[in-house]
Amino acid sequence: ILNVEQSPQSLHVQEGDSTNFTCSFPSSNFYALHWYRWETAKSPEALFVMTLNGDEKKKGRISATLNTKEGYSYLYIKGSQPEDSATYLCAFNTGGFKTIFGAGTRLFVKA
Amino acid sequence: NAGVMQNPRHLVRRRGQEARLRCSPMKGHSHVYWYRQLPEEGLKFMVYLQKENIIDESGMPKERFSAEFPKEGPSILRIQQVVRGDSAAYFCASSQTDNEQFFGPGTRLTVL
Repeated sequence: ILNVEQSPQSLHVQEGDSTNFTCSFPSSNFYALHWYRWETAKSPEALFVMTLNGDEKKKGRISATLNTKEGYSYLYIKGSQPEDSATYLCAFNTGGFKTIFGAGTRLFVKA
Repeated sequence: NAGVMQNPRHLVRRRGQEARLRCSPMKGHSHVYWYRQLPEEGLKFMVYLQKENIIDESGMPKERFSAEFPKEGPSILRIQQVVRGDSAAYFCASSQTDNEQFFGPGTRLTVL
């Protein structure tokens, strides 16, 4: 059974803090790892698609790294802002179209 | 270019009724996915369809649930004889390739 684990489950930080969270996935049959940002009452929005071991992607203050050999990805947010408050989902794909989602890390940024 | 559209956004059904959820993919997308989010849980894959074909329905309950994506028109997720445990948010996503999926706003189903 393919399982994607995300930690922590939730995180409370102050505005300006930098933070990071983890996504663990099976290291075999890897094809792609996706990160999504999901605000309350909206739909998940794609942040990154990562396919190569050692990949690093960046979008503004958010960046992500990928280690396919050991099966983990980190998402970093530098200088968190209240508008970063959301659930961050990672999703694992083995090359078919089926994508397995983690339960998400819920980030709360206090002003 | 409209995004993925789902309707209705909210649906209330009594136990035993049928629920029909519709999803119109983004223009040019031929792959559709349905996910379910139960309260306090993440997204669970249900089914993946291409036009007129079900490719993978391994996440869909064997009974009462069915999905289709006809040649013309939206994809439909149908739940027959709904029970309280079917109450959830149902999200549809579409893609053109096997990489990025674009999500709709979801349909929140409440079974009374």
